[in-house]
Amino acid sequence: DTAVSQTPKYLVTQMGNDKSIKCEQNLGHDTMYWYKQDSKKFLKIMFSYNNKELIINETVPNRFSPKSPDKAHLNLHINSLELGDSAVYFCASSQDDRVGNTIYFGEGSWLTVV
Amino acid sequence: AQTVTQSQPEMSVQEAETVTLSCTYDTSESNYYLFWYKQPPSRQMILVIRQEAYKQQNATENRFSVNFQKAAKSFSLKISDSQLGDTAMYFCAFMKLMWGSQGNLIFGKGTKLSVKP
Repeated sequence: DTAVSQTPKYLVTQMGNDKSIKCEQNLGHDTMYWYKQDSKKFLKIMFSYNNKELIINETVPNRFSPKSPDKAHLNLHINSLELGDSAVYFCASSQDDRVGNTIYFGEGSWLTVV
Repeated sequence: AQTVTQSQPEMSVQEAETVTLSCTYDTSESNYYLFWYKQPPSRQMILVIRQEAYKQQNATENRFSVNFQKAAKSFSLKISDSQLGDTAMYFCAFMKLMWGSQGNLIFGKGTKLSVKP
């Protein structure tokens, strides 16, 4: 069983569109994250949520809006997509909000904006 | 601000041999965690090994071990008996031990390791 699953795995869309990436974890974890990996493979955290509450928001444009309907799900909605949003987006989770917990990543969602 | 540097963009090793990947980091913190993640061509990020800075003993996980030198701020990964399945990008990562840093992994730029038959 996949522990952290994301959909879609691949997404090609035009500039200006709005798109969502869904994430679900079946590990029973309380804390979930979104990371972005750019074209140079550099990985950086975007958001973290603990029990549906936002903990970290790392200077991400407000076109990006995470939504956590429950602690097993953290979706990422992106408005008015730009070329620079093309990247691989990773969802991740950890057991709780204690610092240092191991982070478990999903397989990534490859977004291409044309 | 913390930074993580991986000075080897690419490396290769023959199957069954040993290879060491370098990682240095810069921080003024005394308590933190260090990680190595592997990203195979499938792109999934897989935890390889982790080290708590307050532990002097180097972490090991089967064929993977680290050489943690806190004073030198160095955290290298040694892969013994390399296997073809070890071919991947390897990322070194740092996390501060403080509230608000949950999940905030600071990654290096990665080392692409190729294991040759």
